[in-house]
This record gives sequence, C-alpha cells and structure tokens, in this order.
Amino acid sequence: EAGVAQSPRYKIIEKRQSVAFWCNPISGHATLYWYQQILGQGPKLLIQFQNNGVVDDSQLPKDRFSAERLKGVDSTLKIQPAKLEDSAVYLCASSSHLQGANEKLFFGSGTQLSVL
Amino acid sequence: KQEVTQIPAALSVPEGENLVLNCSFTDSAIYNLQWFRQDPGKGLTSLLLIQSSQREQTSGRLNASLDKSSGRSTLYIAASQPGDSATYLCAVMGGSYIPTFGRGTSLIVHP
Repeated sequence: EAGVAQSPRYKIIEKRQSVAFWCNPISGHATLYWYQQILGQGPKLLIQFQNNGVVDDSQLPKDRFSAERLKGVDSTLKIQPAKLEDSAVYLCASSSHLQGANEKLFFGSGTQLSVL
Repeated sequence: KQEVTQIPAALSVPEGENLVLNCSFTDSAIYNLQWFRQDPGKGLTSLLLIQSSQREQTSGRLNASLDKSSGRSTLYIAASQPGDSATYLCAVMGGSYIPTFGRGTSLIVHP
C-alpha cells in the first residue's frame, strides 16, 4: 500500500514570494490534514478536510495561507506572500475516516520550507 | 482547548536501559491517544494507538498505557537500542476530531 506522498521535499524562497505544496493521501482516505511543524515544536494543525469539504481551518492564517482539495483526493497548500516565520516543515497526514476511535494517522515525509 | 505536555523534553540513556516517556493532556474527553516516532528530517510514523476505552497497547518492546481520568499516558521502551534514537510525540484525538500534539521527547540511546 502506497503511503502519503508529498512534494517538493525541500523549498527555499525569499520573503514575499509565493510557494505551493502538494499532497496525495493514501488511496481511499477521506480525511486529510495539513500540519505546520516549527523546529523543536510539535505539529500544529492548519487545516482539516473531510473529502473535499473543510472541517476545521481555525488556525490557518487566511490572509496568506490557502488550501484546497477539489476532488476529495489530493490537496495543495499555498502561502502568498511568505514571511520569515513561515520557515517550518509542512506535514500532510491522512486517515480513512474523520470519526472513529481506532483511526490511525498516516504522515508523509513533509516539505521543509526555508524563507530567507 | 486541549493542551498536551510531554516530559522529559530530552533524554539520553545508555543502550539496554528501560525507559518511560510521559504525555499529559488537559481535557479527558478523548477518543484516542496515539504515539509517534519522528526521525530527523522525516515524517511521523505511528507506533501505537490506544482507544479511550483501553488501558494499554503493546507492540514488541513498546508498551503504551492510558489513564484517561488523570489525563496521562506513558510509553515504555524496554531494552533500549541505538536505533530507538528519535523524537517521540503523542497526539490526542478529542471531541472535535482534531489531533493535538505535544512537543515531543528527543531520545538518544548511546552504545
């Protein structure tokens, strides 16, 4: 079974530039998460999708971040314009269903973003 | 708002020691708690998931326990090996179905 795929693996940009990350979850997984992990901290949820609908985006800085999951499969996360404090690892995760006490999260390898 | 705390933040032990990592959470209304391992520059790998109705789960040398009423979980690693060196994170799935993570425990097992 293929895991969660993310690209690119690394990205270096200058502040005020834009950047986009892509995620393809495990086949059949309805729930998709984007997390931001700053060095030395735990992952912080940015947005959660159930199929192609947003479940929670309360911690997404909507003035600069956007995300979509148009066909309920893969997803893109965009930052425009980027700030220095956006330097972090962006992790995508998926699970088969939103509700369920036995639902494991499966993570991709992440995209490491450096904003100079 | 759920808050998750992991103690210690870092741990360095000699090979062969048994060790305990701690995770505490503020809201006991949870569906499950999951322990992950993260190697440098990599994503997270699920180790164990404990449902709220369970007390513990075991996988090989790993044993995770859950005391929901006191808001605590422990991850026990038996006979530690250098290959166990990584950051260990716990995540709590609460009523909002949002997994909330702690900051992790960075473990080094030296030969």
